[in-house]
Amino acid sequence: GENVEQHPSTLSVQEGDSAVIKCTYSDSASNYFPWYKQELGKRPQLIIDIRSNVGEKKDQRIAVTLNKTAKHFSLHITETQPEDSAVYFCAADPPGGSARQLTFGSGTQLTVLP
Amino acid sequence: NAGVTQTPKFRILKIGQSMTLQCTQDMNHNYMYWYRQDPGMGLKLIYYSVGAGITDKGEVPNGYNVSRSTTEDFPLRLELAAPSQTSVYFCASSDQSGGAGSYNEQFFGPGTRLTVL
Repeated sequence: GENVEQHPSTLSVQEGDSAVIKCTYSDSASNYFPWYKQELGKRPQLIIDIRSNVGEKKDQRIAVTLNKTAKHFSLHITETQPEDSAVYFCAADPPGGSARQLTFGSGTQLTVLP
Repeated sequence: NAGVTQTPKFRILKIGQSMTLQCTQDMNHNYMYWYRQDPGMGLKLIYYSVGAGITDKGEVPNGYNVSRSTTEDFPLRLELAAPSQTSVYFCASSDQSGGAGSYNEQFFGPGTRLTVL
């Protein structure tokens, strides 16, 4: 089955700096790569996603890049703010089934220091 | 819309006890999922359902059972609780009515924090 590895597990940045979180996946046929943000004690919420036919997608201060050849994708947050502090999870949708099951990475705790 | 709701929010069980975690969604989503999240870890899929009457195992189904008698409800049953089932449980739903090429957001419930002592 699909295996998703995420790093780093913790990341601290100064407010205003950029943050980058990277994920690799094992199944080259995976087609969909969402990123979820989970604030402390809250539910995960989708912040951005990318399909396999696209190399990059942006939404204001957040961007995701996908390298299908290398089987990795990354989340980029620019001009970080204290409210960006949370755990971020990447995921991949393995092919072959109709259930849209997601395999999640182990998460990155991002701390934005004021 | 309330979205995805879960009850209870917290529960402490003794080893060997049983319980049902409730999950309801009011978005008429056809797909529903149960995940567990262990401390410092990602989400692992326990069971999922692609519609009423249809359920299937995910990555970690042992010790759990599910049913899906209606579109709205997807309860998770724990039989003979064990300390290894101490976790936070999230239910999620998504609308996958767009066919094989569609990928739609999974909406999560607020979670149930379960401790087995």
